[in-house]
Amino acid sequence: GENVEQHPSTLSVQEGDSAVIKCTYSDSASNYFPWYKQELGKGPQLIIDIRSNVGEKKDQRIAVTLNKTAKHFSLHITETQPEDSAVYFCAASNERGGGNKLTFGTGTQLKVEL
Amino acid sequence: SAVISQKPSRDICQRGTSLTIQCQVDSQVTMMFWYRQQPGQSLTLIATANQGSEATYESGFVIDKFPISRPNLTFSTLTVSNMSPEDSSIYLCRAALANTEAFFGQGTRLTVV
Repeated sequence: GENVEQHPSTLSVQEGDSAVIKCTYSDSASNYFPWYKQELGKGPQLIIDIRSNVGEKKDQRIAVTLNKTAKHFSLHITETQPEDSAVYFCAASNERGGGNKLTFGTGTQLKVEL
Repeated sequence: SAVISQKPSRDICQRGTSLTIQCQVDSQVTMMFWYRQQPGQSLTLIATANQGSEATYESGFVIDKFPISRPNLTFSTLTVSNMSPEDSSIYLCRAALANTEAFFGQGTRLTVV
């Protein structure tokens, strides 16, 4: 089955700096890669996703890149703000859309310091 | 998108008892899933809740411990049976519309004492 590794486990940045979180996956058939943000006491919220037919996707301060050859994908947050502090999870699946069984990474605790 | 209501949001239970968690979606969804998230850990899929039939369980999870119901396309329940302190976790439901992204409920924080 799919195995997703995520690094780093914790990340501390200064407000305004960029943050990068990286994930690797094992199943070459995976073609859907979402990223979730989980704030304390809440369920994970989808923030951005990418499918295997594109290499990069951007939404304001958030971007995701995908390298299918190397089987890794990354989350980039620019101009970080204190409200970006949360746990971020990557995930992978070999089926399009939400009706699939996602395999999650182990999470990254991001702290944005003033 | 779909709005998912999960309850209770938290509970403290005695060992040996059972707790049923409810997940209500405001629209019909094709698939519903139940996850467990142990403190500081990632999300682990427990089972896929199938409408009108038995749930499909992942390795390490069994129906006797985690019975699941899904009587219709908008509602599902997960029961944590004969609880022990090791069952203390956050339990999350996730619901998917056909060919769209799925959404999580806000989670149930369970503490077993």
